[in-house]
Amino acid sequence: GQNIDQPTEMTATEGAIVQINCTYQTSGFNGLFWYQQHAGEAPTFLSYNVLDGLEEKGRFSSFLSRSKGYSYLLLKELQMKDSASYLCAVLSDKLIFGTGTRLQVFP
Amino acid sequence: SQTIHQWPATLVQPVGSPLSLECTVEGTSNPNLYWYRQAAGRGLQLLFYSVGIGQISSEVPQNLSASRPQDRQFILSSKKLLLSDSGFYLCAWDTTGYTFGSGTRLTVV
Repeated sequence: GQNIDQPTEMTATEGAIVQINCTYQTSGFNGLFWYQQHAGEAPTFLSYNVLDGLEEKGRFSSFLSRSKGYSYLLLKELQMKDSASYLCAVLSDKLIFGTGTRLQVFP
Repeated sequence: SQTIHQWPATLVQPVGSPLSLECTVEGTSNPNLYWYRQAAGRGLQLLFYSVGIGQISSEVPQNLSASRPQDRQFILSSKKLLLSDSGFYLCAWDTTGYTFGSGTRLTVV
């Protein structure tokens, strides 16, 4: 079966660093995506990992370990606008999403 | 440029009424297209996907259907809406990173 797990909610302080974890068990693997979704809006693409290791893009980084079925999204220098849901998604033959992690950033 | 259009943005429909949501893409040919639904406070659930004209795959049994009458057009339909059909409907295509349309918020009353 397909199973993607991530925490439901997280809170953090402006300027801090937060790590959002995602574990997955899928019948196939062709890459892992992270999306950001603000309330009432469509998800927007953040990152894509297909090989093990860390991908850095500005304040956001994403890590993948295929052998462990594990990924994380690292957000640095948090800003209020980073308050949103963060969706982990695995591409097997289709893109399957986790339920998302709602991140609240406080001043 | 490659863009994806989805409409309407919001829709309020009575139970038992029909539904038609449209998604069109520009700037590419023969895209793979997807319909997702997001219920309140839940993750995105894949409903249908299409790899070409007239080719539809359904992921979950439900009250909805999909059609692809043209290469760049993907339509989500229902003959009779149920309360449980309420949600945020998103069309997507698998360009780099699976790009989503702006979504349709459907409320069935």
